[in-house]
Amino acid sequence: GAVVSQHPSRVICKSGTSVKIECRSLDFQATTMFWYRQFPKQSLMLMATSNEGSKATYEQGVEKDKFLINHASLTLSTLTVTSAHPEDSSFYICSARDQGRNYGYTFGSGTRLTVV
Amino acid sequence: EDQVTQSPEALRLQEGESSSLNCSYTVSGLRGLFWYRQDPGKGPEFLFTLYSAGEEKEKERLKATLTKKESFLHITAPKPEDSATYLCAVLANQAGTALIFGKGTTLSVSS
Repeated sequence: GAVVSQHPSRVICKSGTSVKIECRSLDFQATTMFWYRQFPKQSLMLMATSNEGSKATYEQGVEKDKFLINHASLTLSTLTVTSAHPEDSSFYICSARDQGRNYGYTFGSGTRLTVV
Repeated sequence: EDQVTQSPEALRLQEGESSSLNCSYTVSGLRGLFWYRQDPGKGPEFLFTLYSAGEEKEKERLKATLTKKESFLHITAPKPEDSATYLCAVLANQAGTALIFGKGTTLSVSS
C-alpha cells in the first residue's frame, strides 16, 4: 500500500530558530501534498496545499512567511517553521495524494514540535 | 460552508458492546467520505472511502455506511485494541483537493 514517511517524529527547538519537517511518498508519486496542524484533542486543520513545482496555496490565517512549504519533487515536500515561537508548538501532519488510486490520501506519522 | 460534525465526542464501551459513531456533513457536492483511525501521537490510518449514498464497506469489526446527509461507523463486538480516535473527512466539490475533517470520536473499550 501507499506509504508516506515523515521526519522527524519529534523535535524540540529554541525560540527564534527554524525547523524543517520532511514528508516523502515512498512508493508512489504525489503531485499534491497537504500540511495539517493538530492541537490536543482537536481535529486536523489544513494549513496549505502544495503542488509539485509550484507555489503552495495557504489557508486563510496561515502565515506564508512563517510556514515555508517547498514541493520540489514528486516524492518530497518540506515544511519549514521559521523564527519559531512557543505558540507554534503543535503536532504537524503531512498527507500525500496518490493519483494512481482514486482519491487515495495517505498520511505521515506526524511531527511533534515543541518550541522552548 | 462545508462542515463535518462527529458525535459523540467520546464513547466508552465494554468489550463486546456494539455501538455506532456518527458523522453528519454539509457539503457542496460530495466526492467522497473517508474514515480514519488515529492513535495518540500518530498520523491518521485509512479505514474506508465511501462515494455514494447506500454504499457500505466492512473491515473486520468495522462497517461504514453512507446516506445523503451522514455516515455511520458501526463497531461490532469491540475489543480494547479498537480504542482510538476515529476521524471522518469529506472531499467536497468546492474544497479543492484537500479533505475536510470532523473533530473525531474518541473510543475507549475496556475489558
